[in-house]
Amino acid sequence: EPEVTQTPSHQVTQMGQEVILRCVPISNHLYFYWYRQILGQKVEFLVSFYNNEISEKSEIFDDQFSVERPDGSNFTLKIRSTKLEDSAMYFCASSVGTGIGETQYFGPGTRLLVL
Amino acid sequence: AQKITQTQPGMFVQEKEAVTLDCTYDTSDQSYGLFWYKQPSSGEMIFLIYQGSYDEQNATEGRYSLNFQKARKSANLVISASQLGDSAMYFCAMRTSGTYKYIFGTGTRLKVLA
Repeated sequence: EPEVTQTPSHQVTQMGQEVILRCVPISNHLYFYWYRQILGQKVEFLVSFYNNEISEKSEIFDDQFSVERPDGSNFTLKIRSTKLEDSAMYFCASSVGTGIGETQYFGPGTRLLVL
Repeated sequence: AQKITQTQPGMFVQEKEAVTLDCTYDTSDQSYGLFWYKQPSSGEMIFLIYQGSYDEQNATEGRYSLNFQKARKSANLVISASQLGDSAMYFCAMRTSGTYKYIFGTGTRLKVLA
């Protein structure tokens, strides 16, 4: 069964460093998303991406964040200058379409720790 | 404002028994979807079941069913014949028209006892 994959599974970085989180969405999916989950808290939407453009972003997704689809398979989230509060689990998700009932399938997550 | 509320931070259930996890939602939209996800200790988010606001029947997927009460704005997850592998965090989520994002509740941690 096709699934969303994410690399790395864990990343430790120093405050102020740049990190790139990578995702390979399900191959026939057209819509891509990033969410994050700070330890013990709810899952929060960051951004959605379609046709090489951001279609929606949350207040969390400020100028230090960016997303890119560098090729036909990868979808990346870049955090330019990490802060301690960026420590969280980051989930990539994808969906075939964007109807109300379209299920977003989540990857296994990347656990980011900023020291 | 759109909101999902899960009032049970933790639940225990005996193996082979049924359990209901509560979820209430708030939206003024007429068109919306409700989703349940399971998050085991390993961290991944596994899709379980979906209910659309216009669906007249309650959704079912194997041992999972969704008790949808539109007037009460509730979408409770029912797990029948609980198994030890059901021990996990369970999140209720909603998506409304005009937005791509899911809004998640705070989750319920379910522990199945042998």
